[in-house]
Amino acid sequence: KQEVTQIPAALSVPEGENLVLNCSFTDSAIYNLQWFRQDPGKGLTSLLLIQSSQREQTSGRLNASLDKSSGRSTLYIAASQPGDSATYLCAVNLEETSGSRLTFGEGTQLTVNP
Amino acid sequence: DAGITQSPRHKVTETGTPVTLRCHQTENHRYMYWYRQDPGHGLRLIHYSYGVKDTDKGEVSDGYSVSRSKTEDFLLTLESATSSQTSVYFCANSRRGVDTQYFGPGTRLTVL
Repeated sequence: KQEVTQIPAALSVPEGENLVLNCSFTDSAIYNLQWFRQDPGKGLTSLLLIQSSQREQTSGRLNASLDKSSGRSTLYIAASQPGDSATYLCAVNLEETSGSRLTFGEGTQLTVNP
Repeated sequence: DAGITQSPRHKVTETGTPVTLRCHQTENHRYMYWYRQDPGHGLRLIHYSYGVKDTDKGEVSDGYSVSRSKTEDFLLTLESATSSQTSVYFCANSRRGVDTQYFGPGTRLTVL
């Protein structure tokens, strides 16, 4: 059974810092990996999707990398801002799909202090 | 933005009563999903649909049923609600099973 772990569970940083969020998964036979953001009391917002054949994806100040063989992904946030405060979740999609088998980590709760 | 609305947004009910949650999409995305989110467990898939009248079970399907009679609507039913089904329920959609999923705002359900 695929398991997804995110470390750390919570992170507090001052504004302007560059930071890295980690995601690891136990079964390397993934189709893709997705990073989401969740604000308190809200639904999830998709940030980045990395296909298993890709090494990284970038969107603005966000950069996600994928090392499929070692079962790891990182989300890099440059020049963090208070508006980046949220919970960040990663999820992996397995290769065998007639549908979707997204497995989620429990998330990293990020606080960026002004 | 997936154009997903969920209703109701909040509901309090009693053990043993039936409950139906509705998910509506404005796109014609083929795939729709129901998840529950609980502290210590994260998001877990309950059921999903890959077309009208085509559904399949997820990780935590016991006690839940779904129906999809139209492309735009996906219903989640708790036949007889239990306190363990107190949770936040999210609906999502995607164009294909492996594509980005777009989430609705969630329904907070409390079973007393």
